Amino acid sequence: AQTVTQSQPEMSVQEAETVTLSCTYDTSESDYYLFWYKQPPSRQMILVIRQEAYKQQNATENRFSVNFQKAAKSFSLKISDSQLGDAAMYFCASLFGNEKLTFGTGTRLTIIP
Amino acid sequence: EPEVTQTPSHQVTQMGQEVILRCVPISNHLYFYWYRQILGQKVEFLVSFYNNEISEKSEIFDDQFSVERPDGSNFTLKIRSTKLEDSAMYFCASRGTGRGYTFGSGTRLTVV
Repeated sequence: AQTVTQSQPEMSVQEAETVTLSCTYDTSESDYYLFWYKQPPSRQMILVIRQEAYKQQNATENRFSVNFQKAAKSFSLKISDSQLGDAAMYFCASLFGNEKLTFGTGTRLTIIP
Repeated sequence: EPEVTQTPSHQVTQMGQEVILRCVPISNHLYFYWYRQILGQKVEFLVSFYNNEISEKSEIFDDQFSVERPDGSNFTLKIRSTKLEDSAMYFCASRGTGRGYTFGSGTRLTVV
């Protein structure tokens, strides 16, 4: 079975500092995609960043970047210069061959002013 | 930027009643999905729909659930006889030929 694990239920960071959210996954597939989604209190699912498994280069979107370690099956999200608006639940998700997303249990990120 | 639209944003229904949750996917997308998130829990796959038929469904998607694409633009999820445990956020999503999912803003279903 394909699984996604987020081992940090909650994280906090001082405003303007950097925080890293962890995610590991398990699959026997060779072709897959990995995502980080942000879910603010409104509960909308907002795509933050995505990574194709065949790409060695880590994806970056402004203040958000990933550390993709394919051999270790690790996919962490780094948020630089944290802002108050970054406070939310963050879900790691994977898209394996069967085309449905598998989500982790989420990490609640708190930004301390 | 194209959006997936879901209505209503919040629905309250009595246990045993039927509800229909509506979604308008992005117009040129081909694959449609429903996901569910019970409060405080992770997002779970319910069903995928392609070429006017269900392509995959989870064990959650039992006989009380059905999906339909009645008119080529709407994509609906029907829950025939709601139970208290059906209270959740329901997300519709669509994608085109690539792997990029677009989620709707969700419908919060409360069963009382």
